[in-house]
Amino acid sequence: LAKTTQPISMDSYEGQEVNITCSHNNIATNDYITWYQQFPSQGPRFIIQGYKTKVTNEVASLFIPADRKSSTLSLPRVSLSDTAVYYCLVGDNYNFNKFYFGSGTKLNVKP
Amino acid sequence: EAGVTQFPSHSVIEKGQTVTLRCDPISGHDNLYWYRRVMGKEIKFLLHFVKESKQDESGMPNNRFLAERTGGTYSTLKVQPAELEDSGVYFCASRRDGHTEAFFGQGTRLTVV
Repeated sequence: LAKTTQPISMDSYEGQEVNITCSHNNIATNDYITWYQQFPSQGPRFIIQGYKTKVTNEVASLFIPADRKSSTLSLPRVSLSDTAVYYCLVGDNYNFNKFYFGSGTKLNVKP
Repeated sequence: EAGVTQFPSHSVIEKGQTVTLRCDPISGHDNLYWYRRVMGKEIKFLLHFVKESKQDESGMPNNRFLAERTGGTYSTLKVQPAELEDSGVYFCASRRDGHTEAFFGQGTRLTVV
């Protein structure tokens, strides 16, 4: 079970780009990197997933270096509504039960 | 498309009582997962159903917890008898076969007093 390390919290201001880095030194060859977002009183929500290099969708980008021992979630131009906890998960793509949530990163976006 | 629905949203019970949590996954999602977060701790896996079969129940804490998914549709998680340390938020998630994204419900907050 690949464990992850993320900063406990981050502060940002509206309109800024936010980069949250996650370390996963014991990532396995078959493991993918997935990021989830969680608002208070809600369940986690899928943001983005990748295996290597860069992945981009309508809400975020995910940068993964060649050694895959870390990854960076990039949120462009954050707003107050992006205040949430962000979890980096590493695991076999289809064995979701093997994902380790960790403590997540609490992002606080200020006006 | 309706999302994953959990019922109740909150439950307060006394120690020693029984509580049953329910999860309705997204229609067509064969995979159903239960997770929980107890106070101050991380979200942890409890078990995984594929249709009506328990694929992996390695995360179930003890035999006071019983999960079922009769007919491969909705699932229930029963705690009997409840203990104080069972307090927390119980999440259910579902995933369609061949797809990587799992969808979570809003969770059931269980308080044992």
